[in-house]
Amino acid sequence: EAGVTQFPSHSVIEKGQTVTLRCDPISGHDNLYWYRRVMGKEIKFLLHFVKESKQDESGMPNNRFLAERTGGTYSTLKVQPAELEDSGVYFCASAQQGLGYEQYFGPGTRLTVT
Amino acid sequence: DQQVKQNSPSLSVQEGRISILNCDYTNSMFDYFLWYKKYPAEGPTFLISISSIKDKNEDGRFTVFLNKSAKHLSLHIVPSQPGDSAVYFCAASDRYGGSQGNLIFGKGTKLSVKP
Repeated sequence: EAGVTQFPSHSVIEKGQTVTLRCDPISGHDNLYWYRRVMGKEIKFLLHFVKESKQDESGMPNNRFLAERTGGTYSTLKVQPAELEDSGVYFCASAQQGLGYEQYFGPGTRLTVT
Repeated sequence: DQQVKQNSPSLSVQEGRISILNCDYTNSMFDYFLWYKKYPAEGPTFLISISSIKDKNEDGRFTVFLNKSAKHLSLHIVPSQPGDSAVYFCAASDRYGGSQGNLIFGKGTKLSVKP
């Protein structure tokens, strides 16, 4: 069974530009989460989808971040316009509802804003 | 204010000995706790979990202990192997509360197992 995949693995953009990160969850997992780790800090929750619906987006830093999950499959996280403080590693995780809430993480996308 | 704390940023252990990683939490509503292991340039890998109704869960070399009254959990690895060298994250969840399963992470403890 394929794990959670994320694309790209690394992105370097200039301040003010737009970047879109993609996450493909494990097949059949209705729950999809985005997290972010800024260097030296803990991994922090951004938002949670159940199928195509946003269940909780309380962790989104501001309205420069937009997440979508079309058809309840893959998800995208767009940052527009990017700022220096957006640099970090963005992780996606998925979980199958009702199975103990273990979340399975992708390898992450390292975003560097210069 | 951090709700999940891992106060030891690093730990060094000899191969074959026991590794004990500690985690403290402040939110009494947390009802599920998880340990993740992370290698450089990879995502966190789920290791073991425990529900708040239990005080111990064991899986092979890995055992997690939960002390609810002290709001403390620990991960024991016995025997430790060089391949266990990684960063270990403690995470907690309030599954039936407002967060509905979102994970709150500690800052991690870097374990080094020396041959």
